[in-house]
Amino acid sequence: DIQMTQSPSSLSASVGDRVTITCRASQGISNYLAWIQQKPGEAPKPLIYAVSNLQSGVSSKFSGSGYGTDFTLTINSLQPEDFATYYCQQYSAYPYTFGQGTKLEIK
Amino acid sequence: EVSLFESGGDLVQPGGSLRLSCSASGFTFSTCSMSWVRQAPGKGLEWVSTFSFCDGRSYYGDSVKGRFTISGDSSRNTVYLQLSSLRAEDTAVYYCAKNRFGSFDFWGQGTVVTVSS
Repeated sequence: DIQMTQSPSSLSASVGDRVTITCRASQGISNYLAWIQQKPGEAPKPLIYAVSNLQSGVSSKFSGSGYGTDFTLTINSLQPEDFATYYCQQYSAYPYTFGQGTKLEIK
Repeated sequence: EVSLFESGGDLVQPGGSLRLSCSASGFTFSTCSMSWVRQAPGKGLEWVSTFSFCDGRSYYGDSVKGRFTISGDSSRNTVYLQLSSLRAEDTAVYYCAKNRFGSFDFWGQGTVVTVSS
């Protein structure tokens, strides 16, 4: 199975900050990488697919990059609604796997 | 507008069975794959299973293989997940998700499965 490792596991930031979350795959997954946001008590919300493509309706403040094994999610100009948990997910091969999540908290 | 609605979650005893349903609207089921993803209390996301309406193939995570069965009915725009031989560790919110080239572009609100005596 492909293991997905995110760093950091938690992150404190202030409104207006720019943050970056990293995701590493245990083997190459080409560009089959998605990012998902989840707020407490809510269903997951898809943000990005194929490394850098925004899902419909997602703000351009979110951006992704990477290829192969190393990927990043960057969020510009943090707003209160951006504080949530973020997951990366590989869909290069079954079983699909998620990172353990990065909890973004308000400083 | 795409909409996914899960149902069937319940409290069930260890060793019991349950069938979850996910009814969808706003897109053509027959051209898609649909998946189930679960989240145990306080834990992260875990992919459970995917069904391809294109070729009828199904895929399972190791933790549920041999115990869960996914199926779909394109005429009803519904995907099912039959849960059997349930264990305490299957307790989770089960989400239905629409696949788009492998990633999940729409999610339902989830249905809660609790396995406890």
